[in-house]
Amino acid sequence: GAVVSQHPSRVICKSGTSVKIECRSLDFQATTMFWYRQFPKQSLMLMATSNEGSKATYEQGVEKDKFLINHASLTLSTLTVTSAHPEDSSFYICSARSGQTYGYTFGSGTRLTVV
Amino acid sequence: AQTVTQSQPEMSVQEAETVTLSCTYDTSESDYYLFWYKQPPSRQMILVIRQEAYKQQNATENRFSVNFQKAAKSFSLKISDSQLGDAAMYFCAYGYNTDKLIFGTGTRLQVFP
Repeated sequence: GAVVSQHPSRVICKSGTSVKIECRSLDFQATTMFWYRQFPKQSLMLMATSNEGSKATYEQGVEKDKFLINHASLTLSTLTVTSAHPEDSSFYICSARSGQTYGYTFGSGTRLTVV
Repeated sequence: AQTVTQSQPEMSVQEAETVTLSCTYDTSESDYYLFWYKQPPSRQMILVIRQEAYKQQNATENRFSVNFQKAAKSFSLKISDSQLGDAAMYFCAYGYNTDKLIFGTGTRLQVFP
């Protein structure tokens, strides 16, 4: 079945530094990638949607200059948290869609801790 | 705007028993998809079952089945013969066309031996 590999699974960084999270679709072409944020015991909150080769579409209230999304190829999308602060500490999950099938494949998530 | 509501923050069930998780949604579309996802403590999102709105027949996957009531905009998940491994957060989700998934707030399911 479709697999999305997300790395790193855990990362701790210092306040003010940037962190990059990668999501790779291993056996299909991800025409659309979704990036979610999840706080403890809460639901997934969509941050942005990116289509390969296009600029990402951000949800209301999400700072596009802080959460940089790149979807330069059909198998790779990255989320960079710039100038991270403790309030950015959260669980980030990507989800990929292939244009050919109506299905969403999720990565395993990244737990970001900013100290 | 589409919304998904899960009114049961927590549910519990005895092992081998049956439990039903509720989900309602709101949409003006007629052709869409509904999903149930399981999120265990590992936090990996696992697809449990999927329903196409144009299909009248309720989807079934082994011990998991849904009761899809399109007119009532209701999409409940029934878990039969509950197992300890079923304990997790369960999210109901709505998808339309090629758009994003909209998630409910989740139901935490506990399974007691």
